Amino acid sequence: GAGVSQSPSNKVTEKGKDVELRCDPISGHTALYWYRQSLGQGLEFLIYFQGNSAPDKSGLPSDRFSAERTGGSVSTLTIQRTQQEDSAVYLCASSLEGRGVIETQYFGPGTRLLVL
Amino acid sequence: AQKVTQAQTEISVVEKEDVTLDCVYETRDTTYYLFWYKQPPSGELVFLIRRNSFDEQNEISGRYSWNFQKSTSSFNFTITASQVVDSAVYFCALRRPGSGTYKYIFGTGTRLKVLA
Repeated sequence: GAGVSQSPSNKVTEKGKDVELRCDPISGHTALYWYRQSLGQGLEFLIYFQGNSAPDKSGLPSDRFSAERTGGSVSTLTIQRTQQEDSAVYLCASSLEGRGVIETQYFGPGTRLLVL
Repeated sequence: AQKVTQAQTEISVVEKEDVTLDCVYETRDTTYYLFWYKQPPSGELVFLIRRNSFDEQNEISGRYSWNFQKSTSSFNFTITASQVVDSAVYFCALRRPGSGTYKYIFGTGTRLKVLA
């Protein structure tokens, strides 16, 4: 079946502009995660969705970052007034999760964001 | 507190050499899950293995093997007869069980370079 997809694959924007990143999880996966990976760094957790709810937004770096998920499927991560330090690869992952069941995360290819 | 340490930032080996990537974790939970992911130059994280804390059996999959030792809180990954295609960044991750404890803790990764 289809894996996690993300769009765009690459995004170049000017400082101060808003950007929207999209994630299509694997069909039926209830949990969705956003991570940020700066050049040569590990994965920084941003936000987690269970269904359409985001129980924990504590990983979002600032109030310029927001995310939503609709219909328990597609999620968008929005960065307002982008800054150069927002340049990174934004990774999305999904998993079957719920009722105490732990399932493996599967990752999308990421969106490479470059803020000039 | 939970933590995953991958002390080896970068390792270079010559093709056909064996190589072990170290992963040491910290957790106070008695039940937990450990994962290894591979991130090739293309960028997409690929799931390699998942292990729960009650299963200390070592696992072998082709040229890959994993050594899980609770006594030393380690979950090391060995590639036998390495190949150039093994060149990637490898991440170890820890996850607590149960709903509401969804966060995956990733190590900072080990970059493996296999030279022809």
